[in-house]
Amino acid sequence: GDSVTQMEGPVTLSEEAFLTINCTYTATGYPSLFWYVQYPGEGLQLLLKATKADDKGSNKGFEATYRKETTSFHLEKGSVQVSDSAVYFCALINNYGQNFVFGPGTRLSVLP
Amino acid sequence: EAQVTQNPRYLITVTGKKLTVTCSQNMNHEYMSWYRQDPGLGLRQIYYSMNVEVTDKGDVPEGYKVSRKEKRNFPLILESPSPNQTSLYFCASSLSDRGRAEAFFGQGTRLTVV
Repeated sequence: GDSVTQMEGPVTLSEEAFLTINCTYTATGYPSLFWYVQYPGEGLQLLLKATKADDKGSNKGFEATYRKETTSFHLEKGSVQVSDSAVYFCALINNYGQNFVFGPGTRLSVLP
Repeated sequence: EAQVTQNPRYLITVTGKKLTVTCSQNMNHEYMSWYRQDPGLGLRQIYYSMNVEVTDKGDVPEGYKVSRKEKRNFPLILESPSPNQTSLYFCASSLSDRGRAEAFFGQGTRLTVV
């Protein structure tokens, strides 16, 4: 079945450091790919998405590019802030739009 | 405002006492699902529903029931809760159109079974 693998962390960075969270997937066909963010005590919120190969999703300084050849969707941000501290989930939805599959989540802590 | 509303947010109950967690969405989405979130395991899907009266098992359905009598509501039922169902639960809804898909999540229900 479809699956998503991501680095589990925790990841601890200093403010203004560069962030990369790796995500790779296994899926039949051509899934859409997502990054969701969960702030403490809250539900998941969509951060960005890409629906086809080579698409780049971006939001709030975060970016991720859909790489079909490496089945990856790595999340990057050039300069993290303390307010970016959260858990980040990589996810996909399959061809038929029926079922989101989530990675295990990566906890990010940004220190001032 | 587009939203998914779960109730209650927090619940402590005893083993074997039936409970229901409600979920309602105001976006006319066809697809709704329930997840549980446990440390180190991420989100695991319990049940999903593709439309009214259409439900199916996810990855961890044992001990849970659902119903979808109306498009907006998708309650999660624990007929006889056990301590291993202590978890954080999320309801989500989305369009069934892959190209426009985005899952909207509720705030979560933290359930403790003692």
